[in-house]
Amino acid sequence: DAKTTQPPSMDCAEGRAANLPCNHSTISGNEYVYWYRQIHSQGPQYIIHGLKNNETNEMASLIITEDRKSSTLILPHATLRDTAVYYCIVGKGAQKLVFGQGTRLTINP
Amino acid sequence: EAGVTQFPSHSVIEKGQTVTLRCDPISGHDNLYWYRRVMGKEIKFLLHFVKESKQDESGMPNNRFLAERTGGTYSTLKVQPAELEDSGVYFCASSQGRGRLAGYNEQFFGPGTRLTVL
Repeated sequence: DAKTTQPPSMDCAEGRAANLPCNHSTISGNEYVYWYRQIHSQGPQYIIHGLKNNETNEMASLIITEDRKSSTLILPHATLRDTAVYYCIVGKGAQKLVFGQGTRLTINP
Repeated sequence: EAGVTQFPSHSVIEKGQTVTLRCDPISGHDNLYWYRRVMGKEIKFLLHFVKESKQDESGMPNNRFLAERTGGTYSTLKVQPAELEDSGVYFCASSQGRGRLAGYNEQFFGPGTRLTVL
């Protein structure tokens, strides 16, 4: 079973920031938080990961709370192409990814 | 740099037939994973290779599924004989080998093979 909880769906207006929450209250000390997304029926796409500190790359920012029990993925300027199912996953090392239901994000024009 | 590739993109077979799916990981990636999504369900892990060795095959549904990775390069997943419930999308992913002590591991996925068993 997935160790994360996400809202099933969210909407965001094009050009605005999309903030996707994730709860992972049972995360262990050496587990990372990963975010992936799946656009339509394509393969999942890696977005970002983090351990304790906030992270930013060309796709998104990841904000992890100090107690590490939750995190937020931020897409700063959402576009229509960001419509996808977003998965928050915790894991360590080279272990398998355990996918939950994810959040279906719809970007509206 | 080429990404993970999978062949075929679609396969339609009849119940009882055999199908072999192929995955070519990103060059130099030691880790190779197979996942699948059956209709309406979540993406589920099947197995994990480190080079040519099976590291974790806890997700393989039954002995009709056989995965190989000869030489530690490409991998094949054979389903024999195929059943109706095997229909779904099969994804392959690969990642670099960062060593036993590495804490993180981003996986890169292929486009998937859509398998339909009639």
